[in-house]
Amino acid sequence: ETGVTQSPTHLIKTRGQQVTLRCSSQSGHNTVSWYQQALGQGPQFIFQYYREEENGRGNFPPRFSGLQFPNYSSELNVNALELDDSALYLCASSTAQGGEQYFGPGTRLTVT
Amino acid sequence: AQRVTQPEKLLSVFKGAPVELKCNYSYSGSPELFWYVQYSRQRLQLLLRHISRESIKGFTADLNKGETSFHLKKPFAQEEDSAMYYCALSTDSWGKLQFGAGTQVVVTP
Repeated sequence: ETGVTQSPTHLIKTRGQQVTLRCSSQSGHNTVSWYQQALGQGPQFIFQYYREEENGRGNFPPRFSGLQFPNYSSELNVNALELDDSALYLCASSTAQGGEQYFGPGTRLTVT
Repeated sequence: AQRVTQPEKLLSVFKGAPVELKCNYSYSGSPELFWYVQYSRQRLQLLLRHISRESIKGFTADLNKGETSFHLKKPFAQEEDSAMYYCALSTDSWGKLQFGAGTQVVVTP
């Protein structure tokens, strides 16, 4: 059984650019959630996907968007990057309805 | 709106001493409460959840709805308990989590 994986590990982007982060869910999991963790803060919920549909969204602007694929892997896309988007982005997978969330190692995004 | 507060950013304790991490929440309904832990160079992982009422690695946490608290306790801290601890709340059955800011625990010998 493989755990949640995320790519890339780190990346650096310039303000105004677009970025795509990727997440492969744990085997058998069909739900993926994304979180943003700024330095010194707890993770903040961005959105969740279940069976390729968005299943709830936190307080993030529309330039944060996502996708889930038939194999339950997921992407987080951020357009028009701002300096405040610099953070660790965490992906977590689970089975539907109350299953334990398993977190990936995160992608560290730096916006300059 | 719901909120999770962890008042201590850093908790330093001696090995063998009791440790208590405070967590208070605001939510008018019946939330599910969790404690997550992140050891050095490891990923975030679930420590315990209130509905399971388990003791994990000697830690326990009791949900006090009157005080809206979910404090984490361990009677005798070990050096391997040094980590970052996050209290989290979920208000639906899908497990979308709202986290507190976290408490760094340092256990010194």
